[in-house]
Amino acid sequence: EVQLVESGGGLVQPGRSLRLSCAASGFTFDNFAMHWVRQAPGKGLEWVSGISWNSGRIDYADSVRGRFTISRDNAKNSLYLDMNSLRPEDTALYYCTKAGDKEMEDGLDVWGQGTTVTVSS
Amino acid sequence: DIQMTQSPSSLSASVGDRVTITCQASQDIRDYLNWYQQKVGKAPEVLIYDASNLEPGVPSRFSGSGSGTDFTLTISRLQPEDIATYYCQQYDNLPLTFGGGTKVEIK
Repeated sequence: EVQLVESGGGLVQPGRSLRLSCAASGFTFDNFAMHWVRQAPGKGLEWVSGISWNSGRIDYADSVRGRFTISRDNAKNSLYLDMNSLRPEDTALYYCTKAGDKEMEDGLDVWGQGTTVTVSS
Repeated sequence: DIQMTQSPSSLSASVGDRVTITCQASQDIRDYLNWYQQKVGKAPEVLIYDASNLEPGVPSRFSGSGSGTDFTLTISRLQPEDIATYYCQQYDNLPLTFGGGTKVEIK
């Protein structure tokens, strides 16, 4: 069964850091690009960041560029998102998603259940 | 960035009705568009990929059409289990962008 399981969310104060992890199983992880997508409470979907199959290409939404860092460990079938200088507007459910191809420009065919990040003092 | 404009933002229809949701891209995205269904408290799931291809396992009452800048998701006969929010998403260019969503309710 193809599965993505996120972890690492929680309550954090503004300006602090958090690391999200995503464990992938049921598919050949290093054959596909991966993305993080977030959803603020009661709002729509917002793409956050993506990484190609071999980490050769990485991109970020303008809203997180310079604060967030995406990475992957293909040997561990894992995706990460390091979030620094967190702001209240980063509060959201963060989904780990799988692209349908090696490169980032593709649809998202598998989604995890998400991990919640709350930024508040 | 490519803007995706979805309409309507919400709709109410009766069981068995034909439902149509539209999505307009701010520039030509060829057929690089997905439709997702998100039920309350759940992660989104793909319904349609490449604008018009039905994801395996998705009921045939769902269909997608369009190319370029104008796209449509149709539910031929609305069922109670179709209550959800629907999103379009383009993948022609980064950043990946989503429509604002259409909330479908039963009348």
